[in-house]
Amino acid sequence: QVQLQESGPGLVKPSETLSLTCTVSGGSISGYFWSWIRQPPGKGLEWIAYMSDSGSTNYNPSLKSRVTLSVDTSKNQVSLKMTSVTAADTAVYYCARAVGNTYYFDYWGQGTLVTVSS
Amino acid sequence: SYELSQPPSVSVSPGQTASITCSGDKLGDKYVSWYQQKPGQSPVLVIYQDTKRPSGIPERFSGSNSGNTATLTISGTQGMDEADYNCQAWDNSIGVFGTGTKVTVL
Repeated sequence: QVQLQESGPGLVKPSETLSLTCTVSGGSISGYFWSWIRQPPGKGLEWIAYMSDSGSTNYNPSLKSRVTLSVDTSKNQVSLKMTSVTAADTAVYYCARAVGNTYYFDYWGQGTLVTVSS
Repeated sequence: SYELSQPPSVSVSPGQTASITCSGDKLGDKYVSWYQQKPGQSPVLVIYQDTKRPSGIPERFSGSNSGNTATLTISGTQGMDEADYNCQAWDNSIGVFGTGTKVTVL
């Protein structure tokens, strides 16, 4: 059974960089697209970006200037970095596997809450 | 930017049918997936490629997509179906989620 586990600091100061890692177990990272999705408290889901195992990426235009994804196939990990965070970036951050030729999200991590506050 | 609109809430009596719409420009030309999210939990895929159900999802969940509207239908709604539901599609390789619908089983 494929499992995704997000990890990283739960508290980040304004203007600093948010760094999260998604570790995939029970399956290979190869052959799939991996996305980051966030959900501010009490609000809806927002797609952040995706990356393939080969390094192909695409970003939400509203976040593109601040977000970078990377993949480490040897560790089965996908990472997210978001710079210059503000309180508006406070959210539960999920990683999810996108599969098939239409890229639906079939596996999700449990999510990790990141609070931006001084 | 592309937008997907959903009604904020839908109420349904147990055993009845709940229909949740997702509207977007020429949405019928895209594939839509639907996700169920219960409080404090991660989203769960319930419909993909407009009409397909993943293994383990009850047959009472079905989907359709035509024109500008995709619809998730829950037939014979049960109390366990009370949750938030989000549609999702891709527009020029950009992921877009709907605004979300809270389904209440009264």
